[in-house]
Amino acid sequence: DVKVTQSSRYLVKRTGEKVFLECVQDMDHENMFWYRQDPGLGLRLIYFSYDVKMKEKGDIPEGYSVSREKKERFSLILESASTNQTSMYLCAGRGQPQETQYFGPGTRLLVL
Amino acid sequence: AQSVTQLGSHVSVSEGALVLLRCNYSSSVPPYLFWYVQYPNQGLQLLLKYTSAATLVKGINGFEAEFKKSETSFHLTKPSAHMSDAAEYFCAVRNQAGTALIFGKGTTLSVSS
Repeated sequence: DVKVTQSSRYLVKRTGEKVFLECVQDMDHENMFWYRQDPGLGLRLIYFSYDVKMKEKGDIPEGYSVSREKKERFSLILESASTNQTSMYLCAGRGQPQETQYFGPGTRLLVL
Repeated sequence: AQSVTQLGSHVSVSEGALVLLRCNYSSSVPPYLFWYVQYPNQGLQLLLKYTSAATLVKGINGFEAEFKKSETSFHLTKPSAHMSDAAEYFCAVRNQAGTALIFGKGTTLSVSS
């Protein structure tokens, strides 16, 4: 059974804090993704990575950065959290392009 | 550019009734299409996918979808709804570069007894 885990299910942070969201996959997949999910907007791609130390911007990268030092781990970083970054964050992993993306359970982040 | 439109943000059916969730896509290349389901407070789970093989795709939990190129549609159906089908459903198309998925805005399915 494939598995994508996220370090926290719920997180509360203050405006201006630096926030780290961690994602780990056990599928030996090259590709990993970070999405944010907001009501009425669906999922929007923030960043993805197709290899260690490689990253590409998605549709809404502003205010975020990522880190991939090891194949199995992909971190999303909010350098200075703002209230408009309150959202559900979903991580996913995938092998070849035609293969399935597997999602983690999500981290619900509240920025006060 | 690729895009996905899900018609109806909210669909309500009675238990035992037909479920029909609509998805139309736009793609400049032969599309790879997906349906995912999200139960409350959980991540997304793959229901089924179309990758240019059979046009009628069967998935988990009794769901199926038919790829219709002429209508640019990939609607999701289930003959008889169960209470446990209540969830949010997302249609997605692989982007042109093949690097990521583009998701629709989702349809919330409610099932009443």
